[in-house]
Amino acid sequence: ETGVTQSPTHLIKTRGQQVTLRCSSQSGHNTVSWYQQALGQGPQFIFQYYREEENGRGNFPPRFSGLQFPNYSSELNVNALELDDSALYLCASRGGLAASYEQYFGPGTRLTVT
Amino acid sequence: AQSVTQLDSHVSVSEGTPVLLRCNYSSSYSPSLFWYVQHPNKGLQLLLKYTSAATLVKGINGFEAEFKKSETSFHLTKPSAHMSDAAEYFCVVSLNTGTASKLTFGTGTRLQVTL
Repeated sequence: ETGVTQSPTHLIKTRGQQVTLRCSSQSGHNTVSWYQQALGQGPQFIFQYYREEENGRGNFPPRFSGLQFPNYSSELNVNALELDDSALYLCASRGGLAASYEQYFGPGTRLTVT
Repeated sequence: AQSVTQLDSHVSVSEGTPVLLRCNYSSSYSPSLFWYVQHPNKGLQLLLKYTSAATLVKGINGFEAEFKKSETSFHLTKPSAHMSDAAEYFCVVSLNTGTASKLTFGTGTRLQVTL
């Protein structure tokens, strides 16, 4: 069983640029969530995708957008990067929507915005 | 609304002594509660979860937590700390809201284990 993978592991971008982060969910998992973890903080929920549709969103502006593909892999896109977007971005997958389903996290992508 | 409060940002224990990491939650409905651990430069790993079954939950690596509804608490314990337990620990609440479900993380407790 392959776990959740994310790419790239590290990324450096300039303010105003756009970035795409990628996530491959664990086999059989149809639900993917993205989280932002700023340095020294707990992860913050960005949004969730279920069967290719966004069905939940945290307190993040529209320049944070995503996609989920038929194989349930996912992308997080961030436009007009700001310095405060520097963080560890975590992807998590699980087998369904119920709150009791365990979320399996990937190792994250460290984004630095200069 | 749902939230978790981790009462200690930093806990230091000696190897072989008990560990107690405190967590209080707030939720309008019956929550699912989790403890996750994050080692430096690693992803988050689930230690244990409570989903309205037994109130005493046993997890991996000797950790356990007790759900106390009257106290709205979900404290994490381990009888004997090991050096490898040094990490950041997050208490997490999950709630279904309509068709969406999201995890709400606490701010974390850094566990230091000394010789």
